[in-house]
Amino acid sequence: TQLLEQSPQFLSIQEGENLTVYCNSSSVFSSLQWYRQEPGEGPVLLVTVVTGGEVKKLKRLTFQFGDARKDSSLHITAAQPGDTGLYLCAGAAGHGGGGSNYKLTFGKGTLLTVNP
Amino acid sequence: DAGVTQSPTHLIKTRGQQVTLRCSPKSGHDTVSWYQQALGQGPQFIFQYYEEEERQRGNFPDRFSGHQFPNYSSELNVNALLLGDSALYLCASSLAYSTGELFFGEGSRLTVL
Repeated sequence: TQLLEQSPQFLSIQEGENLTVYCNSSSVFSSLQWYRQEPGEGPVLLVTVVTGGEVKKLKRLTFQFGDARKDSSLHITAAQPGDTGLYLCAGAAGHGGGGSNYKLTFGKGTLLTVNP
Repeated sequence: DAGVTQSPTHLIKTRGQQVTLRCSPKSGHDTVSWYQQALGQGPQFIFQYYEEEERQRGNFPDRFSGHQFPNYSSELNVNALLLGDSALYLCASSLAYSTGELFFGEGSRLTVL
């Protein structure tokens, strides 16, 4: 069974601070995705990283995929209250024959609160 | 461009009852996956449908079943409901043979009393 461990589980910071969220596994993934989920809504895809060592930036968010494709991090610079939400990482692994898509394994998420 | 739509948004059932949840995928998508998200947890994979067949299944009992229709929409059925089935049920659509990015609906919140 593939597991994704996210840390920290909870994070409460002040507006303007920087933060890093980690996603670790003992398994290798074909790709890793980050989602943000707000209360009462479904997760929304932020980014997909595919290549080991890959770094992607989305405005103030920087995503990195580990060289061995087992871990990833999300760094937010100058956090804003609008960044508040549950951040989920999800690893995509090879599917059984005949399947159309990879099966995603989600971590438990990091609940981020940014206080004004 | 319509996103993923799910119905109903909220429902309350009692133990032993059966429930059917519905999902229409994002326009152009042909694959539907269902996830269960308990409070304070990440989504857990239930199963995935493509070409009207169940292609992959997570660690869920046979009480959980599904269907995909020719128009790619899907249903999730849960029989003999247990208290532990209370959760947010998320439908996600994607495009076959892509890198697997999922587009989620807002979910159906099921409460079992």
